[in-house]
Amino acid sequence: SQKIEQNSEALNIQEGKTATLTCNYTNYSPAYLQWYRQDPGRGPVFLLLIRENEKEKRKERLKVTFDTTLKQSLFHITASQPADSATYLCALDQGGNKLVFGAGTILRVKS
Amino acid sequence: NAGVTQTPKFRVLKTGQSMTLLCAQDMNHEYMYWYRQDPGMGLRLIHYSVGEGTTAKGEVPDGYNVSRLKKQNFLLGLESAAPSQTSVYFCASSGTGLNEKLFFGSGTQLSVL
Repeated sequence: SQKIEQNSEALNIQEGKTATLTCNYTNYSPAYLQWYRQDPGRGPVFLLLIRENEKEKRKERLKVTFDTTLKQSLFHITASQPADSATYLCALDQGGNKLVFGAGTILRVKS
Repeated sequence: NAGVTQTPKFRVLKTGQSMTLLCAQDMNHEYMYWYRQDPGMGLRLIHYSVGEGTTAKGEVPDGYNVSRLKKQNFLLGLESAAPSQTSVYFCASSGTGLNEKLFFGSGTQLSVL
């Protein structure tokens, strides 16, 4: 069966450190993968998109990798700040501009 | 620009009651979507639309109906609400280019007692 897995346990890190979040999937062949940020009581907000032929994508303090052999994406936030605390969702392309979402990982950055 | 606007923000229903959730977008997007989000689960697609006058079923369509009479609006209806439909509902829209990102509304918290 098709499955998207993100760390179900919250990730707690110290301010200034690099946070690394994982998204693993099975029985999908996405052409691209997206990452979203969701704050409590709000809708998800798009952060980054990476295509199947791209190994890595960067935007300011954010970096995403995509390994179609391992069926895994890693999402990194460098020099993390308390304001980065949120839930981060990965989403896979299902074709036709439809996305399937993981359950998300809660990130807590402590000062 | 307001982006994607959902109304209402909160609603409590009794089992068997009906209601309609309204989604409006001002970005001239062709695609619109309704998702539900439950604790420990990812956003699940209920129904979607690829243009005015079109609708299609998503992953969990049972118990819901939708209409897209105008390009900017996408309505989600519950004809006979059930406790299993207690959830947070999100509307989203996107353009039609390759790899388009989704723009989400702020959600509707629905409780069915």
